[in-house]
Amino acid sequence: AQKVTQAQTEISVVEKEDVTLDCVYETRDTTYYLFWYKQPPSGELVFLIRRNSFDEQNEISGRYSWNFQKSTSSFNFTITASQVVDSAVYFCALSGDPSGSARQLTFGSGTQLTVLP
Amino acid sequence: GAVVSQHPSWVICKSGTSVKIECRSLDFQATTMFWYRQFPKQSLMLMATSNEGSKATYEQGVEKDKFLINHASLTLSTLTVTSAHPEDSSFYICSARDQVTSGTDTQYFGPGTRLTVL
Repeated sequence: AQKVTQAQTEISVVEKEDVTLDCVYETRDTTYYLFWYKQPPSGELVFLIRRNSFDEQNEISGRYSWNFQKSTSSFNFTITASQVVDSAVYFCALSGDPSGSARQLTFGSGTQLTVLP
Repeated sequence: GAVVSQHPSWVICKSGTSVKIECRSLDFQATTMFWYRQFPKQSLMLMATSNEGSKATYEQGVEKDKFLINHASLTLSTLTVTSAHPEDSSFYICSARDQVTSGTDTQYFGPGTRLTVL
């Protein structure tokens, strides 16, 4: 069984602060994929990143960066110099299907990030 | 990225009626689409996997006779909530699996449909 844990239910920061959202996962698959999605108040899920289990390189995209550590089964997400528009619910998700079929996503419970002006 | 649309974006209906929600992949073909349900301040829970040309696969606890799924083409899947009741009120989100266009096998999500059953 797969499981994704986002222990931080809500985080509030002041604009321009850096913030890290934690994600810990459990899976028995040797090949799996990790994702981060952003869900603003409008409700639409916005894809942020996809990382496969064989690629432990950290990734940076603008103010966003991701730290994948297989040894601790974590895939943390950092926003640098946060902005009010970053306020949203962020979901970490895991997909793993050795048969290569459905690739269902297992979502964490989400972290509500509020960036205050 | 790829675009997925849902229609309607919101719907209010009376108890006992049926509601159909459409999910379309606009710029790619999706052999697999997924339907999720999200209650307020909760995570997304997978309801079913919709495969083009075959029957949907439902998650445990999801009534297949109540939530009818049809994936008639490579760009369209529909979810029909039959005999809706107030407890069916929720945010329904579909996703489409893009295995070809980006080459990275990613799910793209629709904007969601908010269903309110009176």
